[in-house]
Amino acid sequence: EVQLVESGGGLVQPGGSLRLSCAASGFTFSGYWMSWVRQAPGKGLEWVANIKGDGSEKYYVDSVKGRFTISRDNAKNSLYLQMNSLRAEDTAVYYCACGKAAPDYWGQGTLVTVSS
Amino acid sequence: QSVLTQPPSVSAAPGQKVTISCSGSSSNIGNYYVSWYQQLPGTAPKLLIYESNKRPSGIPDRFSGSKSGTSATLGITGLQTGDEADYYCGTWDSSLSAGVFGGGTKLTVL
Repeated sequence: EVQLVESGGGLVQPGGSLRLSCAASGFTFSGYWMSWVRQAPGKGLEWVANIKGDGSEKYYVDSVKGRFTISRDNAKNSLYLQMNSLRAEDTAVYYCACGKAAPDYWGQGTLVTVSS
Repeated sequence: QSVLTQPPSVSAAPGQKVTISCSGSSSNIGNYYVSWYQQLPGTAPKLLIYESNKRPSGIPDRFSGSKSGTSATLGITGLQTGDEADYYCGTWDSSLSAGVFGGGTKLTVL
């Protein structure tokens, strides 16, 4: 059974940083694209970033380019999202998901709140 | 403004059929598979349809997907009150080099 468990969310001040983690199990992690998708309170889904199975390709939505960095550790079956220079508009539930763009499997999400 | 366009809401009576449209362009739906998701309040999205018209194991055949040109459609037959949820379409966009989702459609079963 595929399991994706996010951690690392919380309250952070504007301009601050946060690192999200996602522990994956139940599939051959290194063989799959992985994505982060977020959902602001009361809003729709927004794709944030993805990374190829071997880490050789990464893509980002324009609004986070230069601020967020996606990475993975295939030895630990883990996905990460380093978020710097956080803004109020980054407040959202962040989902770890398996797939390049419209993922097949999703975690339960971790809430990131950017507020002073 | 979402890259993929969905109606904000649809409604129908129990037992009836409803369709939800997802309109895009040649850089996304026109050249890539579409997935559909159901999101119940307070939960993560759940995959309903992948590769435009395939159902994952465990998804009833009341749910169907189709694609034509730059548009895709989700169909739900035999509506149940438990189908009340938000529904999203998603795919890849080659012009943006990014994943894209529709704005979501809220289904009400009257």
